[in-house]
Amino acid sequence: DTGVSQDPRHKITKRGQNVTFRCDPISEHNRLYWYRQTLGQGPEFLTYFQNEAQLEKSRLLSDRFSAERPKGSFSTLEIQRTEQGDSAMYLCASSLGPDRGYGYTFGSGTRLTVV
Amino acid sequence: KQEVTQIPAALSVPEGENLVLNCSFTDSAIYNLQWFRQDPGKGLTSLLLIQSSQREQTSGRLNASLDKSSGRSTLYIAASQPGDSATYLCAGPELTGGGNKLTFGTGTQLKVEL
Repeated sequence: DTGVSQDPRHKITKRGQNVTFRCDPISEHNRLYWYRQTLGQGPEFLTYFQNEAQLEKSRLLSDRFSAERPKGSFSTLEIQRTEQGDSAMYLCASSLGPDRGYGYTFGSGTRLTVV
Repeated sequence: KQEVTQIPAALSVPEGENLVLNCSFTDSAIYNLQWFRQDPGKGLTSLLLIQSSQREQTSGRLNASLDKSSGRSTLYIAASQPGDSATYLCAGPELTGGGNKLTFGTGTQLKVEL
């Protein structure tokens, strides 16, 4: 297993368009997280899945954002009607369960630019 | 709510120096703390994970310590090299709501000069 994979690496889109990002976690990890990072800031939590269940969503995740993890494997994050403020790095991470002593493994991220 | 602060925000040192990066957190009930490295425009690479039962973790030239009572962690880098230039982030679990997410500091941007 080569770690957490994210696709695409970069995405440039026009304001108002919809975009979808994909994350493939480490295969044995049952937990999957999405974070967003803007320039000069640390990553901020967006949402979290345990297997296929989405258990927590941040208030940062407006109605235009939706995430899924069908069958508890890969996950997608969709942003509808993109706005310039959505421009950021979107990071995916997976874990066996930090509360059981396991850390997080992050992917390389998807950089979104909304023009 | 967990708050994580990193000092300094930026640091420039000559090659070969030993250096210390600081991280403080407000909720001392954390069960672990993780240090990450981030190169410009890239994702996060995990460096060290310290459990609450540990006081130190070492990996090569890196040593991280955790003092829950004072709410502090430090990352020590020995004999720094230009390849160590990156942003270093620490993160602890947000314990309200089940501890299922990390709270990050804003990072220390390190530059090691020849």
